[in-house]
Amino acid sequence: AQTVTQSQPEMSVQEAETVTLSCTYDTSESDYYLFWYKQPPSRQMILVIRQEAYKQQNATENRFSVNFQKAAKSFSLKISDSQLGDAAMYFCAYSPRNTGKLIFGQGTTLQVKP
Amino acid sequence: EAQVTQNPRYLITVTGKKLTVTCSQNMNHEYMSWYRQDPGLGLRQIYYSMNVEVTDKGDVPEGYKVSRKEKRNFPLILESPSPNQTSLYFCASRGLGGNQPQHFGDGTRLSIL
Repeated sequence: AQTVTQSQPEMSVQEAETVTLSCTYDTSESDYYLFWYKQPPSRQMILVIRQEAYKQQNATENRFSVNFQKAAKSFSLKISDSQLGDAAMYFCAYSPRNTGKLIFGQGTTLQVKP
Repeated sequence: EAQVTQNPRYLITVTGKKLTVTCSQNMNHEYMSWYRQDPGLGLRQIYYSMNVEVTDKGDVPEGYKVSRKEKRNFPLILESPSPNQTSLYFCASRGLGGNQPQHFGDGTRLSIL
């Protein structure tokens, strides 16, 4: 079965510091997509960053970057220069290519301390 | 404005009373999905649709029905709701291409007594 695991239910970071959120997944597929979504208290789901499995280069979006380790099936999210507005729940998600399936992890609640 | 609209936003109802949560998107997206969100479990996919008249089960389809008669609409039907279906529900859509981001609705909070 395809699964996504986020082993850190809660994390905290000091404003302006860097934090890394962990995600591992299990699949026998070789071609797939990985995503990080952010859910603030407003409960909106917002795409943070995405990675295509066939691309070796790690994706980057401004202060957000990923460390994609395909062999280890690991997809961590690094947030640099953390801001108060980064406080939210973060979900890692996996989608096999050419399907409509999207599998989420359990989520990590990030607290940002001023 | 590109959006996914789901209604109602909140609903309290009783066991066994059929209900429908509507979902509509205005982006001409092929893919639509329904998810439920429960504490500690993240979001779990209920059903998805890759085009009109094409639907498939997600990870937790029991107790739910869907239909995709038109491209823009994807209603979620609970024929006989039970308390274990109390949850926060999201509808989402995306275009062709698996790397396309999902556009989510604002969520529907269902409480079944």
